[in-house]
Amino acid sequence: GQQLNQSPQSMFIQEGEDVSMNCTSSSIFNTWLWYKQDPGEGPVLLIALYKAGELTSNGRLTAQFGITRKDSFLNISASIPSDVGIYFCAGQGPGTYKYIFGTGTRLKVLA
Amino acid sequence: DVKVTQSSRYLVKRTGEKVFLECVQDMDHENMFWYRQDPGLGLRLIYFSYDVKMKEKGDIPEGYSVSREKKERFSLILESASTNQTSMYLCASSPGTPNEKLFFGSGTQLSVL
Repeated sequence: GQQLNQSPQSMFIQEGEDVSMNCTSSSIFNTWLWYKQDPGEGPVLLIALYKAGELTSNGRLTAQFGITRKDSFLNISASIPSDVGIYFCAGQGPGTYKYIFGTGTRLKVLA
Repeated sequence: DVKVTQSSRYLVKRTGEKVFLECVQDMDHENMFWYRQDPGLGLRLIYFSYDVKMKEKGDIPEGYSVSREKKERFSLILESASTNQTSMYLCASSPGTPNEKLFFGSGTQLSVL
C-alpha cells in the first residue's frame, strides 16, 4: 500500500532542543493526524488537523496543515526524555474512510 | 476518551492453527479497521468495516477474514496461521463521517511458530 514520505527518518537531539518533522503526499488530503508510538504499544493520537493552513497545539507539540493540502509539519518544543518514540503522520483524502500513513520518525533524546 | 480494547497483548500460535483477534470500542463508532505493522513496511490495512456485517478488503486481505456482528466488536480471523503472519496487529476505530480522528488499540503481538 501507499505510504507518505516522512522526514527525517530518525534524529538524535539534546534535551531541551526543539524538533521538527514533516510529511508529504503526492495527493491532497482533508485530514492530517499525528501519532506517537512507544515500543510494543499502539499509536496514540497527538493532534488532528482538518483545514489547510490550520495550526494546532497540544502542550509542547504544534502541528500545521500545509497550504497545498499535500503536507503537514509537527514541531516539539523543549524536548524531554519521555518524548522518545516513533512519530508518524496519517492522511485521509476526500471521499474515503481510509487513511494513509507516514514511514515514521524515530526520535531519541539525549539527556 | 475513546477506548479501543484488544483482547490479547501477546499471542503465540502454531502454524495451521485458527486464530481469533478481538477488538472492542466503546464510542459507538461506525468504522473499524485492522492493520498489521511490520518493520520497514509501516502500517498496512487488512480489512475495514463501515457498519455491522459490512466489510471491505484492505491492501493485504489474503489469509485473513473478519467478522462484525455487533457495532462495538470487530474480529480478525487467521484461518490457518502461517509464519509470515507473525506481526503486530492493530485495531482502530473512527466515527462514521469523513474527516475524523482514528483511534488505535494497544496492539497484539502475534508470533506464529
